[in-house]
Amino acid sequence: DVKVTQSSRYLVKRTGEKVFLECVQDMDHENMFWYRQDPGLGLRLIYFSYDVKMKEKGDIPEGYSVSREKKERFSLILESASTNQTSMYLCASSLYKPGQPNMDYEQYFGPGTRLTVT
Amino acid sequence: AQKITQTQPGMFVQEKEAVTLDCTYDTSDPSYGLFWYKQPSSGEMIFLIYQGSYDQQNATEGRYSLNFQKARKSANLVISASQLGDSAMYFCAMREIAGGTSYGKLTFGQGTILTVHP
Repeated sequence: DVKVTQSSRYLVKRTGEKVFLECVQDMDHENMFWYRQDPGLGLRLIYFSYDVKMKEKGDIPEGYSVSREKKERFSLILESASTNQTSMYLCASSLYKPGQPNMDYEQYFGPGTRLTVT
Repeated sequence: AQKITQTQPGMFVQEKEAVTLDCTYDTSDPSYGLFWYKQPSSGEMIFLIYQGSYDQQNATEGRYSLNFQKARKSANLVISASQLGDSAMYFCAMREIAGGTSYGKLTFGQGTILTVHP
């Protein structure tokens, strides 16, 4: 059974703290993604990675960074947490085959981390 | 500009009846894919159905079908014979090629909360 796990379901941090959110997948997927979910806005892509040490900005990268040192692990880092980063964070992974459109591969999601910054 | 629009923040349906959740999209890419995901109150994202832009027939998966109208740029989800367990948030998403491989990126709509009444 495919699995994407996230390090915490709930997290409470103080303003200015450095926050690490970890995501691990066991499907040997090349692509991994970090989204944040806010009411009325749906899911918005923060960063994604298509290979180890490779990363690209999504639609809302400001205030975030990522790290992918191993294929199965993708970390989201909030360098200095702010209250406007209070949100649900979802990690996902998907298969990728070079040279193909990869149009129909669905993303597999983790259970999410609800982060509150006070 | 919003690429995926779900205009129904909330929908109600009686158990055993059919319901249609609307989704319109905007793209200039001739090759794209459309996805629907379900998010129950527990938070996990569950893949439901996929439609490719070149697919000749509307996609179906059990009680789920996708009413794909390419000229209108709409990809509505139809759930037949609604069950209480269908109560959840539903997201429409699109994947574009964008001049090369998509790396599996998805753009999500705002979501529709479906409530099934007994």
